[in-house]
Amino acid sequence: DAGVIQSPRHEVTEMGQEVTLRCKPISGHDYLFWYRQTMMRGLELLIYFNNNVPIDDSGMPEDRFSAKMPNASFSTLKIQPSEPRDSAVYFCASSSHIYNEQFFGPGTRLTVL
Amino acid sequence: KQEVTQIPAALSVPEGENLVLNCSFTDSAIYNLQWFRQDPGKGLTSLLLIQSSQREQTSGRLNASLDKSSGRSTLYIAASQPGDSATYLCAVKETSGSRLTFGEGTQLTVNP
Repeated sequence: DAGVIQSPRHEVTEMGQEVTLRCKPISGHDYLFWYRQTMMRGLELLIYFNNNVPIDDSGMPEDRFSAKMPNASFSTLKIQPSEPRDSAVYFCASSSHIYNEQFFGPGTRLTVL
Repeated sequence: KQEVTQIPAALSVPEGENLVLNCSFTDSAIYNLQWFRQDPGKGLTSLLLIQSSQREQTSGRLNASLDKSSGRSTLYIAASQPGDSATYLCAVKETSGSRLTFGEGTQLTVNP
């Protein structure tokens, strides 16, 4: 298995632009998680899905952030409009069960100028 | 609210030394605890997962222990190597919730 795949690996954009981050979980994993990592706040869970359904989005910072999972093999995290304070590394992770080991993707480093 | 603390924040040791990384958590109602490794600019690699009913887990030169009642876990690395240099994170999964709560990590440098 290729593991969790994320794209792009790096994204540089200007304030106000829309940003879309993509994730392909490990095949057969029913849970998908989006995290954000910053120096100030460490790793934070933004949202997670079970069988393509959003279960807990309490970590989504504000309405500018949205996430979708249209099928079992694809998820997106969208920021519109982006702001400089959104600059961070965004990780996607998946697991076969909510209490099982989580496997992380390589992350997307987002820089908003 | 669960809080996870890792001490020390950074550690530098000579190659071959055995070392211990510490993780403490405030709420002992956890389902499991997971240790990760993160290399610069990379994602997280899962090292060990300890269920709340377990006392320890071993993988190669790594041994993780869990004392749920005291809210502590340790990651023991034997015969450290320069390739072990990375940031090590612990994360707890609570029984009441769905999220992993992460510590801030210990940055380990193993000098040749």
